[in-house]
Amino acid sequence: EADIYQTPRYLVIGTGKKITLECSQTMGHDKMYWYQQDPGMELHLIHYSYGVNSTEKGDLSSESTVSRIRTEHFPLTLESARPSHTSQYLCASRGGTGDSKQYFGPGTRLTVT
Amino acid sequence: DAKTTQPNSMESNEEEPVHLPCNHSTISGTDYIHWYRQLPSQGPEYVIHGLTSNVNNRMASLAIAEDRKSSTLILHRATLRDAAVYYCILSIIQGAQKLVFGQGTRLTINP
Repeated sequence: EADIYQTPRYLVIGTGKKITLECSQTMGHDKMYWYQQDPGMELHLIHYSYGVNSTEKGDLSSESTVSRIRTEHFPLTLESARPSHTSQYLCASRGGTGDSKQYFGPGTRLTVT
Repeated sequence: DAKTTQPNSMESNEEEPVHLPCNHSTISGTDYIHWYRQLPSQGPEYVIHGLTSNVNNRMASLAIAEDRKSSTLILHRATLRDAAVYYCILSIIQGAQKLVFGQGTRLTINP
């Protein structure tokens, strides 16, 4: 089974606050991803990383930013949260060329009031 | 990215086989067919993937049409825990492997 963790699982925060959603994996995977999913809707890729010091924007434009300083860690930051950021954020990772599976974390459900 | 078409919802009975269809008429030669599922309040979970030949694993079977324009995910004996949204996704397996999730098929299992 995959070991990929996200914290917090649930977060309710006021408008204007800075937040960081944590994602960690212990599998040594190079590739990591952030997806956003509104309730009952599709998942959309917002960020991905090929490895340390590599980050790319995904298909859905997002005001969030990411960093990849360590292989196992891929945090997502919102500098100033707004109600429009209310959503579920899902982190995933994938191993080398021979591994085609993406392993997903349990997600962080963010509510901005 | 090549698109897939799936029924919005399907219903089946416990302990019966379930066949989930997916159409992908614009699939390219390098696209693999991936299936993921998402149980309520959880992140997606990999189910199976294939390129041309039918594939089997402990969770399911994947039947791929000879022209690759369609595929079917087969759950051989559905349980209540198989109730989920099932996504059929086309993607290469090299590089970034950016998965494009559609609406998927919401599978309901009746006891």
